[in-house]
Amino acid sequence: AQSVSQHNHHVILSEAASLELGCNYSYGGTVNLFWYVQYPGQHLQLLLKYFSGDPLVKGIKGFEAEFIKSKFSFNLRKPSVQWSDTAEYFCAVNAGRDDKIIFGKGTRLHILP
Amino acid sequence: GAGVSQSPSNKVTEKGKDVELRCDPISGHTALYWYRQSLGQGLEFLIYFQGNSAPDKSGLPSDRFSAERTGGSVSTLTIQRTQQEDSAVYLCASSSRQGFNEKLFFGSGTQLSVL
Repeated sequence: AQSVSQHNHHVILSEAASLELGCNYSYGGTVNLFWYVQYPGQHLQLLLKYFSGDPLVKGIKGFEAEFIKSKFSFNLRKPSVQWSDTAEYFCAVNAGRDDKIIFGKGTRLHILP
Repeated sequence: GAGVSQSPSNKVTEKGKDVELRCDPISGHTALYWYRQSLGQGLEFLIYFQGNSAPDKSGLPSDRFSAERTGGSVSTLTIQRTQQEDSAVYLCASSSRQGFNEKLFFGSGTQLSVL
């Protein structure tokens, strides 16, 4: 069964700093990968997803993630964070179109103004 | 409705009582999930319904938990003989599963407090 590991539970950065949140998954076959975000008081929403093709995927609000198959990783990046990026970020994986989506434990990101 | 609707938004119950949580997915969405969100545990998968297939119940933590989905639409998550460790936010999500669109639409959740 697939699983997801997020290494950073709580990250604090100043505005304009660069961001990288780690995500590793365990599954030997083809996977679909996702990052979701939950802003304070809001629903979870999709940030970006990888199904196939270019391993560097771009999402909303300047976020991107790179799928590195050899490392079983799908790290989230943003070159310059803003105070409004304060939120909880979840990495997720599924092993195919009809498979369930499994989430990691999340990373709380706090941006100092 | 336009989004995933969950009710009640808050539920306070006594230990040992049964509770029912309801999810009304987006019309036409064939996939429906239940997750549990608690501090430090992230989003814990509970159960997954996809069309007419048998549900994937592999995430249910004990036999006190069950869920059904009637007519391929509304789903009810039932927790029997609630325990304090069941306190959490229970989230429902749905997706259309067309064209590999795996985007999940989440409801606002039910905050369950077991006293």
